Order: sequence, then structure tokens, then C-alpha cells
Amino acid sequence: DQQVKQNSPSLSVQEGRISILNCDYTNSMFDYFLWYKKYPAEGPTFLISISSIKDKNEDGRFTVFLNKSAKHLSLHIVPSQPGDSAVYFCAASGRAGGTSYGKLTFGQGTILTVHP
Amino acid sequence: DVKVTQSSRYLVKRTGEKVFLECVQDMDHENMFWYRQDPGLGLRLIYFSYDVKMKEKGDIPEGYSVSREKKERFSLILESASTNQTSMYLCASSLWDVQYFGAGTRLSVL
Repeated sequence: DQQVKQNSPSLSVQEGRISILNCDYTNSMFDYFLWYKKYPAEGPTFLISISSIKDKNEDGRFTVFLNKSAKHLSLHIVPSQPGDSAVYFCAASGRAGGTSYGKLTFGQGTILTVHP
Repeated sequence: DVKVTQSSRYLVKRTGEKVFLECVQDMDHENMFWYRQDPGLGLRLIYFSYDVKMKEKGDIPEGYSVSREKKERFSLILESASTNQTSMYLCASSLWDVQYFGAGTRLSVL
């Protein structure tokens, strides 16, 4: 049962344009969402997060949008750069209602390629 | 700076061998995690630990065990390695929700 889904295995974008990566979830107990970026031969690194009390969070070129009613979140990268080429994972956790121990549920990942 | 260190980057083992993957973090984090990453499947949680000597099964614990004798160290054990355990193994630690990952161990079981 895949509770966090990234339905696009890959995305190709031209440098300078917007990249939009999507993520859907099914568990209504999730209330905190994160995006990670992973280069080959490295571990994932934290990019940006959003709490369910917000619908948008920005950090420089990266913005995450959350639509709770649709159980959907997206990561926007503007403008995209060739160095952004990596695998992007969304992840979710349920903080409320007890101790989660920081446990995250990850999506399958989307490979982003930004062409010069 | 945050640091999670996995003892090996690449490992080749034979079917039936006992395999130890070691992970050390220097951030005094309570929580530690072991994942495996496979193409198209994302990161799947094998085991996690929220305190010394405490462990909880993740989503795919079969064929694995773990040990946490000290706060900074979390070991993953493959009791009898099988070919379907060939994968990238990632260790992470956290205080709250944001997890910090090691560089990973690419394990091949022949």
C-alpha cells in the first residue's frame, strides 16, 4: 500500500524554466511534508518542508505547495538550473496523535533533468 | 555540520553470508533509521530505533535485524544474505522530522 506516490518517474526541463514535481498521499494522518534531493552516489539531502497548517512555503528558488483537500503537494523550482538535475523524493510524517519518532514515508522519486 | 557515516560505500558478499552494515552519527540524535533504495520503489524503511537498545520494525524487516548498543551507532545485520537483498542501503538520523542521511552502501549479493 503506497501511501505516498510520485506518479511521474521522470521530468525533463530546459534551463531557466519552471520545474514542477508532484506528490500525492492517501493517509489523512500525515501532517508534515518534506522534499529531499538525491544525487547519484550520495545520500538524500533535505530541501524544504511544509506543515499542514500552511499551504505554501518558500525558500529561494524552491516553493512547496500543499492542497490538503486533494491530498496533493508540489515542488516548484524557478528558475531551474542544470545543477538541479537529481532524484527528488517527497516524504510525509504524522506528528499529531502520538509519538512518530520522526518516521517518514517516502514516495518513489522523480528524476529531474535540466538541460542547458 | 551534520554527519552520518556509513562504514562502506561498496560491498560484495556471497549468498548465505552474514553481513554487517554500520552507521555512526555525530549529532546526538535520538532516532536512527535504515532504508533500502531500489529503482521505482523509492526509500523503504527496514528498521528504526528511537533510543539505545530500542528498535521498531519498518515496512520491510524480513531478513534483517538491527543493533543499537550506543546512541551514535546503529547497525543493520543480514543474517543470511540473499540475492534479493542486493540494493542501496541508506542510514539516517533525526531529532524530529528532518532526517540526515549517510552516503549509502551499495551491497551486491552474488
